[in-house]
Amino acid sequence: DSGVTQTPKHLITATGQRVTLRCSPRSGDLSVYWYQQSLDQGLQFLIQYYNGEERAKGNILERFSAQQFPDLHSELNLSSLELGDSALYFCASSVLGQGNYEQYFGPGTRLTVT
Amino acid sequence: GIQVEQSPPDLILQEGANSTLRCNFSDSVNNLQWFHQNPWGQLINLFYIPSGTKQNGRLSATTVATERYSLLYISSSQTTDSGVYFCAVPISNFGNEKLTFGTGTRLTIIP
Repeated sequence: DSGVTQTPKHLITATGQRVTLRCSPRSGDLSVYWYQQSLDQGLQFLIQYYNGEERAKGNILERFSAQQFPDLHSELNLSSLELGDSALYFCASSVLGQGNYEQYFGPGTRLTVT
Repeated sequence: GIQVEQSPPDLILQEGANSTLRCNFSDSVNNLQWFHQNPWGQLINLFYIPSGTKQNGRLSATTVATERYSLLYISSSQTTDSGVYFCAVPISNFGNEKLTFGTGTRLTIIP
């Protein structure tokens, strides 16, 4: 158990819908990262938050947004869902936003868009 | 951006065999992580290894940063070792520590 929690574990929804994925980082970790793992793209970085502020953006679609709340949990919002958004979404956390610190991954949320 | 390549892409071994997985990266890195993704999809941290050698039970890892590669050794393989092994390196650029993942090595251990 990495100490990072994600809910829900599985999500099945229809095209055009909107979903929210939730992540709680390890106790004491200030930085949260979101990654997407799809069959054709592999594991890709989406976005990073550090202590409530957006720190870095990767290949995140405009239909996707995220935020980190004062209690440090984070939510990833996916809207106008398409079939191609079906993937495993991981959240990771690390101690600080700078420097080289190990990232720990949650169990993931498997999203299926039908 | 930095390229991360893993080899071999697939490996099928009998239980009890040893294996070596390789990770090459195209630029200097300050650290490297190895992960095991089990058949249920969970990403499990194996090693955080900027340089040198670390051991954890039947697994060990060596990173030679100056030559831009890392090796993961698995000895006396068990069926529970099956899954995909990823290496990942961070891109540190004014606080951006996103991980860039390799394409993985799929390991299948046959009883």
